[in-house]
Amino acid sequence: KAGVTQTPRYLIKTRGQQVTLSCSPISGHRSVSWYQQTPGQGLQFLFEYFSETQRNKGNFPGRFSGRQFSNSRSEMNVSTLELGDSALYLCASSLMGRNEQYFGPGTRLTVT
Amino acid sequence: GQQVMQIPQYQHVQEGEDFTTYCNSSTTLSNIQWYKQRPGGHPVFLIQLVKSGEVKKQKRLTFQFGEAKKNSSLHITATQTTDVGTYFCAGQNTDKLIFGTGTRLQVFP
Repeated sequence: KAGVTQTPRYLIKTRGQQVTLSCSPISGHRSVSWYQQTPGQGLQFLFEYFSETQRNKGNFPGRFSGRQFSNSRSEMNVSTLELGDSALYLCASSLMGRNEQYFGPGTRLTVT
Repeated sequence: GQQVMQIPQYQHVQEGEDFTTYCNSSTTLSNIQWYKQRPGGHPVFLIQLVKSGEVKKQKRLTFQFGEAKKNSSLHITATQTTDVGTYFCAGQNTDKLIFGTGTRLQVFP
């Protein structure tokens, strides 16, 4: 089976812009979670989607949003980018009823 | 809110030495998972522990879940250079998975 894929892999944006990141889960996985990873804060949970519904949300401002499509693919959007949003954004998928997360390679976002 | 702390933050060892990382949760967990992230890579699932006092082994890696289900440890026997990376625990409480702060392991040949 193909693993979790994320696009784009690298992105450079300027402050104030918005960005959309995409994630395709492993075939058959209907749960998709998003994480932000920075050297200082580690892995921070953003949100989880299951069957097109947001099931859980972390402590991030409303500028961070996401959605999931009927084919389980997911996107996350960050509006009005700030310098502090520079991070590796990781998507992870999991099987219904199973806890282990399968991570994608991530999207490295740099905000200048 | 729930917090999961790991110690140490960094560990440098000589190849062949043992290594242990400890994970502590502020709340009781339903299960705990361990992940390894190689430099430049993404976290990869290693194992899940569910039962109080559970011990699981994967070759040179030994994982333990505390009796109170609030702490866990990962022990690597006779480290190798391939063990380099950051090890994360992730504790599950109800439906939320909280990742620990990670322990970065460096192994010198």
